[in-house]
Amino acid sequence: RKEVEQDPGPFNVPEGATVAFNCTYSNSASQSFFWYRQDCRKEPKLLMSVYSSGNEDGRFTAQLNRASQYISLLIRDSKLSDSATYLCVVNRNTNAGKSTFGDGTTLTVKP
Amino acid sequence: DTEVTQTPKHLVMGMTNKKSLKCEQHMGHRAMYWYKQKAKKPPELMFVYSYEKLSINESVPSRFSPECPNSSLLNLHLHALQPEDSALYLCASSYEGGSSPLHFGNGTRLTVT
Repeated sequence: RKEVEQDPGPFNVPEGATVAFNCTYSNSASQSFFWYRQDCRKEPKLLMSVYSSGNEDGRFTAQLNRASQYISLLIRDSKLSDSATYLCVVNRNTNAGKSTFGDGTTLTVKP
Repeated sequence: DTEVTQTPKHLVMGMTNKKSLKCEQHMGHRAMYWYKQKAKKPPELMFVYSYEKLSINESVPSRFSPECPNSSLLNLHLHALQPEDSALYLCASSYEGGSSPLHFGNGTRLTVT
């Protein structure tokens, strides 16, 4: 079993739709959680850090459920520009410098 | 605009060449990383430098040689690469390891012929 698993996708949604991605992690020692987006042939860019209390940034909401060991990303009112691959990243703070990436979920928002 | 700068953006090299990739950050981050990414795969960690010392080497072949001249610079020296080493090479930095998020450079797209 992979240490970090994401919905395989692809997700194809119309503009304006709400879409949610889940990511599960297997190591209970994991402490820090992030969502990145990566456009085709570009570098990953930090979208959001994920906190225990949940956090929101405009149309994006991230949640962490430590008991069930998963994090989620909700995108409301999808835009064409949201089309990208979304990467879930988990850090075990005791293993400084080593982030574990999920395989990514591809989102395509269609007109 | 990225705050981590990588050069060159593209590199084509033969299997007998020696080349270097360069990375620079001025965010005061103390950890710097090299990742390798193949198409449709997530980034794969190669090396981590923490406070200018090599802290993680993910069993990378010796044809890849990292160097951290100072806290702002990170190099990756390449020698006798194989065609399967063709990939996007990403440099990243973070404030410290562990709890801090990674900030990636634009990457160097490497083709080995």
